[in-house]
Amino acid sequence: EAGVAQSPRYKIIEKRQSVAFWCNPISGHATLYWYQQILGQGPKLLIQFQNNGVVDDSQLPKDRFSAERLKGVDSTLKIQPAKLEDSAVYLCASSKNPVRETQYFGPGTRLLVL
Amino acid sequence: AQSVTQLDSQVPVFEEAPVELRCNYSSSVSVYLFWYVQYPNQGLQLLLKYLSGSTLVESINGFEAEFNKSQTSFHLRKPSVHISDTAEYFCAVSLPGGKLIFGQGTELSVKP
Repeated sequence: EAGVAQSPRYKIIEKRQSVAFWCNPISGHATLYWYQQILGQGPKLLIQFQNNGVVDDSQLPKDRFSAERLKGVDSTLKIQPAKLEDSAVYLCASSKNPVRETQYFGPGTRLLVL
Repeated sequence: AQSVTQLDSQVPVFEEAPVELRCNYSSSVSVYLFWYVQYPNQGLQLLLKYLSGSTLVESINGFEAEFNKSQTSFHLRKPSVHISDTAEYFCAVSLPGGKLIFGQGTELSVKP
């Protein structure tokens, strides 16, 4: 069974530029998560989808971050415009259901904002 | 509000020695508990989880963790570590909606 796929693996941009990350979850997984992991910290949930609907985006900085999961499969996370403090690893995870199920993580996208 | 505290940011240990990575949580609702491991340049992988039932849970590679409700702890232990166990370990609680709250991580460094 293929795991969670993410691209790109690395991205370097200058502040105020825009960037987009892509995630393809494990086949059949209805729930998809985007986490932000800043160096030296644990991952923090940005947004959770159930199929193509948003369940929780309470910690998503909506003035600059956006995410979508069209057709309930793959997802895109966008930052526009980027700030220095957005430098982090962006992790995508998926699970069959949101409750009691293991979340499977992709390898992450490492973003550096200069 | 829910939170997770990992009491040690770094734990150096010699090969074949025992190790304990400590995790305490705070929650006003029932939670599920997880330990994830992150090897260098890799994504997070589930190590073990507590959902219900026996408070002692084990992983396939010799780690175990015990859920202690009265002390709100979920410490991770291994009686004898290997070089290959060198990684960062994250404790997490799952809220009813599925959201994971992670601790800050503990870097386990196993030396020969």
